[in-house]
Amino acid sequence: DTAVSQTPKYLVTQMGNDKSIKCEQNLGHDTMYWYKQDSKKFLKIMFSYNNKELIINETVPNRFSPKSPDKAHLNLHINSLELGDSAVYFCASRAAPETQYFGPGTRLLVL
Amino acid sequence: KQEVTQIPAALSVPEGENLVLNCSFTDSAIYNLQWFRQDPGKGLTSLLLIQSSQREQTSGRLNASLDKSSGRSTLYIAASQPGDSATYLCAVSSNYKLTFGKGTLLTVNP
Repeated sequence: DTAVSQTPKYLVTQMGNDKSIKCEQNLGHDTMYWYKQDSKKFLKIMFSYNNKELIINETVPNRFSPKSPDKAHLNLHINSLELGDSAVYFCASRAAPETQYFGPGTRLLVL
Repeated sequence: KQEVTQIPAALSVPEGENLVLNCSFTDSAIYNLQWFRQDPGKGLTSLLLIQSSQREQTSGRLNASLDKSSGRSTLYIAASQPGDSATYLCAVSSNYKLTFGKGTLLTVNP
């Protein structure tokens, strides 16, 4: 069984569109994250939720809005997509003090 | 602001060699340090986690050390194999989040 899953795996879209990426974890963890890995492979945290509450919100454009309907899900909605949003987006979950478990990533390409 | 640096950025070795990857961080107030492996086009796989109170962790041919006071960690890979080829990422945990280095791209040649 996949511990952290993301859909879709690939996403190709036009500038200006709105898109969502979904993440689900079946590990029973309290904390979930969204990370962005840019073209230079640098991985940076975007958001974190703990028990459906936002606890980390890094300097991210407000076109990005996370939503956590329950502890097992953390979705990422992106409005008015821009070329610079092209990247791989990773979801992760964690139960302190353990390691974080990462999803397979969603490869977003904005044309 | 925490910054994590990994040296070298890339490393190519012949099969069977022992090797060391280095990681340094600027703020020693960390909760733990983790080493991850990332294969091309794939997600991250956790290799080792060292709590801030620990000095090292071992798993098979991998050994990770942590010197919190000096802000350094090393990942030692013994008897490297072509299957070890991947990008290795170091990440420190503080304030509920992970800060990553840019990784070391390791190539083990048969």
